[in-house]
Amino acid sequence: DTAVSQTPKYLVTQMGNDKSIKCEQNLGHDTMYWYKQDSKKFLKIMFSYNNKELIINETVPNRFSPKSPDKAHLNLHINSLELGDSAVYFCASSQVGRRNTGELFFGEGSRLTVL
Amino acid sequence: GNSVTQMEGPVTLSEEAFLTINCTYTATGYPSLFWYVQYPGEGLQLLLKATKADDKGSNKGFEATYRKETTSFHLEKGSVQVSDSAVYFCALMTTDSWGKLQFGAGTQVVVTP
Repeated sequence: DTAVSQTPKYLVTQMGNDKSIKCEQNLGHDTMYWYKQDSKKFLKIMFSYNNKELIINETVPNRFSPKSPDKAHLNLHINSLELGDSAVYFCASSQVGRRNTGELFFGEGSRLTVL
Repeated sequence: GNSVTQMEGPVTLSEEAFLTINCTYTATGYPSLFWYVQYPGEGLQLLLKATKADDKGSNKGFEATYRKETTSFHLEKGSVQVSDSAVYFCALMTTDSWGKLQFGAGTQVVVTP
């Protein structure tokens, strides 16, 4: 079983469209994250949820809206896609708090290409 | 603010060569330090970590020592293999950050037979 799974793995769409990426983890972790990796491989955190509550919200355009229906799922919806949104989006999870080992578990990434 | 600086790549080596990737950090307090590896087409995996000064993390022949006096966490491997070809990321995490990782820019390593 894949620990952190994301769908879709590849997404090609036109400017102006709206798209979603889904993420699920079966590790029993309480915290999930979205990271963006640009074309130069630079990774930057976008959002984090702990037990369905938003706890990290970096400077991200409000066209990006995360949603966590439960602590095992964190989805990312993007409105009005722009060329600069083309990137690989990684979902990750960890156990934060008393049992925190400091390790994040990453999904395989969702490569978004905006044309 | 917190930041991580690592040497730029690509680093190209022959098999069995010695690998060093430099990493230095700026942070308040005492962060935990990590090396993550990204193999082609995959997500990131934790390679090793160290949580306090003078700790040495090690895994798969890789080592890194947390040096508070030089604010460094350099990655080393004595004899690389072609399968070590990947992008390596140095990262830090502070205790008040809800598990947020601050990554360096990544260093691509290419090992040739």
